Amino acid sequence: ETGVTQSPTHLIKTRGQQVTLRCSSQSGHNTVSWYQQALGQGPQFIFQYYREEENGRGNFPPRFSGLQFPNYSSELNVNALELDDSALYLCASSLGTAGSYEQYFGPGTRLTVT
Amino acid sequence: DQQVKQNSPSLSVQEGRISILNCDYTNSMFDYFLWYKKYPAEGPTFLISISSIKDKNEDGRFTVFLNKSAKHLSLHIVPSQPGDSAVYFCAASLNFGNEKLTFGTGTRLTIIP
Repeated sequence: ETGVTQSPTHLIKTRGQQVTLRCSSQSGHNTVSWYQQALGQGPQFIFQYYREEENGRGNFPPRFSGLQFPNYSSELNVNALELDDSALYLCASSLGTAGSYEQYFGPGTRLTVT
Repeated sequence: DQQVKQNSPSLSVQEGRISILNCDYTNSMFDYFLWYKKYPAEGPTFLISISSIKDKNEDGRFTVFLNKSAKHLSLHIVPSQPGDSAVYFCAASLNFGNEKLTFGTGTRLTIIP
C-alpha cells in the first residue's frame, strides 16, 4: 500500500509568482484535503476535494485553487505569491469526507517566498 | 479565532512516567476529536480519536479523555518512551459532511531518558 506522497519537497519562489504543488493520495482514497502550516502553528484547512469536486473551503483567498484528477491525485495552485504564503503545505487523503474518516498526511512541501 | 487551543507549547517528562497533554476547544458543535503526532520532516500521523458520545478511549499506552462540559480533552501516555518525543496536535471536527479538521498549535513533548 503506497502512502501519501507530495512533490516537490522544497520550493523557493519570488513574491508575485505562481506555484503548483502536487499530491498523490493513498491507494483507494477518494478525498484529498490541503492544509497550510505556518511556523509555530497548527495546520489550517485550505480546501477539500471529493471525487474531483471542491467539497469545502477554509478561510483562504481565491488565489488559492486546486484540482483533483480521476486517479484522485491533486494539485494546489497559488497565484500572486505573498511573503506570508511561506509555510509547509500538507495534503491528506481519506476514504470519505466525514470527520471520523482517518486522514493520512503526506510529508509536506516547504514553500519559501522571498 | 482559535477554536482549538493547546496552551502548553512544550512538555518534558521522564521516561517511564506519565505524559499528559491538554487541549481546550470553544466550538460546542465539534463532536469528534483526534490526536496527531508529528515527527520532523514527516506529516502528522493519526494517534487516537474520541467521539463526543464517549468520555474515554484507550489504545495501548494512549488514553484520551473528553470533558464536554469543560470543553476539554487530554491525552495520557503511560509509560512514556523516548520514541514518544514529537509534536502532538489536538484536532476537532464535525462527524459528518465535509468538515475539516481544526487543529491546535501543538505541544512539543520531550521524553528524558
